[in-house]
Amino acid sequence: DADVTQTPRNRITKTGKRIMLECSQTKGHDRMYWYRQDPGLGLRLIYYSFDVKDINKGEISDGYSVSRQAQAKFSLSLESAIPNQTALYFCAVDRLAGGNEQFFGPGTRLTVL
Amino acid sequence: AQSVAQPEDQVNVAEGNPLTVKCTYSVSGNPYLFWYVQYPNRGLQFLLKYITGDNLVKGSYGFEAEFNKSQTSFHLKKPSALVSDSALYFCAVRVFYNQGGKLIFGQGTELSVKP
Repeated sequence: DADVTQTPRNRITKTGKRIMLECSQTKGHDRMYWYRQDPGLGLRLIYYSFDVKDINKGEISDGYSVSRQAQAKFSLSLESAIPNQTALYFCAVDRLAGGNEQFFGPGTRLTVL
Repeated sequence: AQSVAQPEDQVNVAEGNPLTVKCTYSVSGNPYLFWYVQYPNRGLQFLLKYITGDNLVKGSYGFEAEFNKSQTSFHLKKPSALVSDSALYFCAVRVFYNQGGKLIFGQGTELSVKP
């Protein structure tokens, strides 16, 4: 159990608004990830961070930005939300010296109207 | 390109029957393979993994998976399905680069177990 929390759990917003999704973990995992899930597409990687000073783009980073404020916190921002960013967003963590599996938070369901 | 495919969008099984959820992969080098399960309104839960060693790996909730290198497959199996196994299942492969790499997921398979 990686004790990954995500806030908010649900959010409805309007096109053009700036939105921040937050992720926190309590077990000291080095590496943190943001994914989005869309029906029929599985999970796709948005951004990832291997430590506080390391931020990397994933396969679908356009329209998103991230901030690793501390080892335990990794935030995802939508600078100007658009309807096709409506999705389920997951934060995940793992450990450099771990077993290679990732542990996921409960998810944030975001709806952009 | 490195990828994972789950050829079935949905699998329907009667309770008590064996179940199989299929996964094939394409990756250079030795694959690190994973299965996750997602119950409604929940996050993904890790089920099992293959890194090296015995081709048959056992995981949580009575699930197991068989790694087949020649067929590049990693099918998830359970000898006797339960209604509570109904969920969305994801296969994933770890791609290594920089300090650790990332997971690439299949599109998911919806498992429905009927009484």
